[in-house]
Amino acid sequence: GALVYQYPRRTICKSGTSMRMECQAVGFQATSVAWYRQSPQKTFELIALSTVNSAIKYEQNFTQEKFPISHPNLSFSSMTVLNAYLEDRGLYLCGAWDSANSDYTFGSGTRLLVI
Amino acid sequence: GQQVQQSPASLVLQEGENAELQCNFSSTATQLQWFYQSPGGSLVSLLSNPSGTKHTGRLTSTTVTKERRSSLHISSSQTTDSGTYLCAIESNAYKVIFGKGTHLHVLP
Repeated sequence: GALVYQYPRRTICKSGTSMRMECQAVGFQATSVAWYRQSPQKTFELIALSTVNSAIKYEQNFTQEKFPISHPNLSFSSMTVLNAYLEDRGLYLCGAWDSANSDYTFGSGTRLLVI
Repeated sequence: GQQVQQSPASLVLQEGENAELQCNFSSTATQLQWFYQSPGGSLVSLLSNPSGTKHTGRLTSTTVTKERRSSLHISSSQTTDSGTYLCAIESNAYKVIFGKGTHLHVLP
């Protein structure tokens, strides 16, 4: 079956530093990967959608300068949170699009704490 | 833009009672998923149900596509069912939109 491994599951970083999270698709080809953030007491917001061999599309309020994404092949994507501050804390989620089944499979999330 | 509304926002039950969660969305959905988010935050996919009725264990989801609504029924609730239940729809352009969730608390 289709699985998405997301890691780390949980991370703490000092204010002003950066952290990188990764997603690995297993059992299918992830032609697109979507990254989301769930801030405390809120639902998941789409940060950006990355499609292999296409430009990454960022949603309003999110920028490449702050959340650079790499999607080098059909099984891997990473996103970095640069200069993390308190407002960046939350749960970050990746979802990989399986074009063969026309469905998204999600990772378990990366919880970011900023101190 | 596309919206996903979930109700109730929170629900408290005694163990053994049934729960009925609702999801309404504002435009056509090509896919609809129900997720469970544990108190620790991890997300687990429960059911994909763009239309019709699906069962898995104590869960039953019914989606009426033309009415743009879906429900998740949890039978014989257990304390371990406590957490947040999220409805998410996929409309177009590979975008998935999440509702705000229903926070379920099952008392022993």
